[in-house]
Amino acid sequence: GESVGLHLPTLSVQEGDNSIINCAYSNSASDYFIWYKQESGKGPQFIIDIRSNMDKRQGQRVTVLLNKTVKHLSLQIAATQPGDSAVYFCAERPQGSYIPTFGRGTSLIVHP
Amino acid sequence: KAGVTQTPRYLIKTRGQQVTLSCSPISGHRSVSWYQQTPGQGLQFLFEYFSETQRNKGNFPGRFSGRQFSNSRSEMNVSTLELGDSALYLCASSSAGGSGNEQFFGPGTRLTVL
Repeated sequence: GESVGLHLPTLSVQEGDNSIINCAYSNSASDYFIWYKQESGKGPQFIIDIRSNMDKRQGQRVTVLLNKTVKHLSLQIAATQPGDSAVYFCAERPQGSYIPTFGRGTSLIVHP
Repeated sequence: KAGVTQTPRYLIKTRGQQVTLSCSPISGHRSVSWYQQTPGQGLQFLFEYFSETQRNKGNFPGRFSGRQFSNSRSEMNVSTLELGDSALYLCASSSAGGSGNEQFFGPGTRLTVL
């Protein structure tokens, strides 16, 4: 069936480095993608989203890139800080559907 | 503005029992969605309520049900609990639901079934 997955389950970086978290999706009908951050003991927190008519979107210290040709999504975090340590999920929604499909998550560990 | 609140935060039940979880959305939000999060399956969509009506439903058995009240508060119920129902149950609210509307998640209710 259709699925959303992540290439790396754990990513360790040094404080100040840039982090890149990847996500592969297989549903070509998906037109909306979201990245969430989940800290221990908390619910997921919206970070940034992107629609399929875009290939890049920037937020504060974060950038999402969408490559529809290879069905790949990435989240770039600039100047990673210890507070960025969390599990990051991508999610995709097919056009016309409300129901999101979440990736399994990547654990980002930032070393001071 | 207060965030999404869920009660209780932690719950321990035994197999065969039933449980009711509560979610209060952000003021003004009319859409409430429920998710189950487990280490094995990750985050899975249960159902969504909008204006007291179930608008979308995921692939969960009928033991999982929910409802929404006129003040947008929502409850979900799980009957005849099984060990596999142990999970973090998350509630999320949004202003109108539907594709593209940002969802705000609560902290979740950690359910343990013994």
